[in-house]
Amino acid sequence: AQTVTQSQPEMSVQEAETVTLSCTYDTSESDYYLFWYKQPPSRQMILVIRQEAYKQQNATENRFSVNFQKAAKSFSLKISDSQLGDAAMYFCAYRSGGSNYQLIWGAGTKLIIKP
Amino acid sequence: GAGVSQSPSNKVTEKGKDVELRCDPISGHTALYWYRQSLGQGLEFLIYFQGNSAPDKSGLPSDRFSAERTGGSVSTLTIQRTQQEDSAVYLCASSLRGGGPYQETQYFGPGTRLLVL
Repeated sequence: AQTVTQSQPEMSVQEAETVTLSCTYDTSESDYYLFWYKQPPSRQMILVIRQEAYKQQNATENRFSVNFQKAAKSFSLKISDSQLGDAAMYFCAYRSGGSNYQLIWGAGTKLIIKP
Repeated sequence: GAGVSQSPSNKVTEKGKDVELRCDPISGHTALYWYRQSLGQGLEFLIYFQGNSAPDKSGLPSDRFSAERTGGSVSTLTIQRTQQEDSAVYLCASSLRGGGPYQETQYFGPGTRLLVL
């Protein structure tokens, strides 16, 4: 069975600086997708970024980028120029490339932005 | 267009009562998911609907939990004889389900916070 591990329960960063959130996963599959979701106090899960395992190029979305290391089964999220609105819980999630559409979730990392 | 909506936003009930939670997916999305999020935890998969196919109920924690989806759109999650351990945020998500990872991205509603006293 696949598992997703986020080893940092909480991280803090100064506004305008860069922070990296860690995620590792365990799978025997070669075809899969990885996601980072953000959950602010409003509770709504918001997709931040996604990565297909077959792509070697790291995904980027404006200030958000990932460092996808397939051999190491690592999928970290880098947030550049941190803003107060980035404060939230961040969840890493895995989905099989097959017919199983369940998302396997990490426990989350709480990101605090210091003004 | 409108996102995924859920109602009620919050629900307080007494142990032993039944509750119904509603989810309205994004229009045109054929796949619908229910998750449970306990305090300080990640999400736990409950059930998955895809079009007219039989739902994947593998995540339902007990036979007190059931869900249906009428007309391929709105879904209702029912918890019978609620227990205190059922207290959690129940999140619904939908996806387009047309193939390809982008179309499989799940979009979430704001959730229903259930408190069982």
